[in-house]
Amino acid sequence: EDQVTQSPEALRLQEGESSSLNCSYTVSGLRGLFWYRQDPGKGPEFLFTLYSAGEEKEKERLKATLTKKESFLHITAPKPEDSATYLCAVQAYGGSQGNLIFGKGTKLSVKP
Amino acid sequence: DAGITQSPRHKVTETGTPVTLRCHQTENHRYMYWYRQDPGHGLRLIHYSYGVKDTDKGEVSDGYSVSRSKTEDFLLTLESATSSQTSVYFCAISGNGYYGYTFGSGTRLTVV
Repeated sequence: EDQVTQSPEALRLQEGESSSLNCSYTVSGLRGLFWYRQDPGKGPEFLFTLYSAGEEKEKERLKATLTKKESFLHITAPKPEDSATYLCAVQAYGGSQGNLIFGKGTKLSVKP
Repeated sequence: DAGITQSPRHKVTETGTPVTLRCHQTENHRYMYWYRQDPGHGLRLIHYSYGVKDTDKGEVSDGYSVSRSKTEDFLLTLESATSSQTSVYFCAISGNGYYGYTFGSGTRLTVV
């Protein structure tokens, strides 16, 4: 069964304190791994797609990496505005018309 | 969210009543999805559509039905609402089903 596990469930950082979020996955054949950001009361907002092990993508203070079993979202020198829930999802080959399987998310709080 | 609108944004309904949620898109995307999001769970797929009048079930489809008579509209109906269907419902769209989704802002449904 395809599965996504995110850790930690919650993370509290001081402004400027770099850290990483983990997304471990089990999938029959990975077509793509997605990172989303979700603010309270809003829908998830797309951040990155990774397709193959070794791939990296960056956007401002965020950098996503991918191995054969997990992905990391590295946050460098975070600011309070980076506070949000970060969701990881995988898409499998042969899956139902592109269905994404989501993890439960990591809630990030960055204090000034 | 650009190109995708959900209505209503909030709704309170009584157990046993029918409820319809609407998702409207202006992107002319082929694929549309309904997810629900609950505390302790990731986003879970209810139903999806891969074209006008073409729909299929997702992971948690019991108690829900969908219809898509036009490219731009995807309706989710709870035939007889139950308290277990209290949730936040998100609609998502995708052009080709394989490169991630754009999400709507969600509908918060409370069944009392």
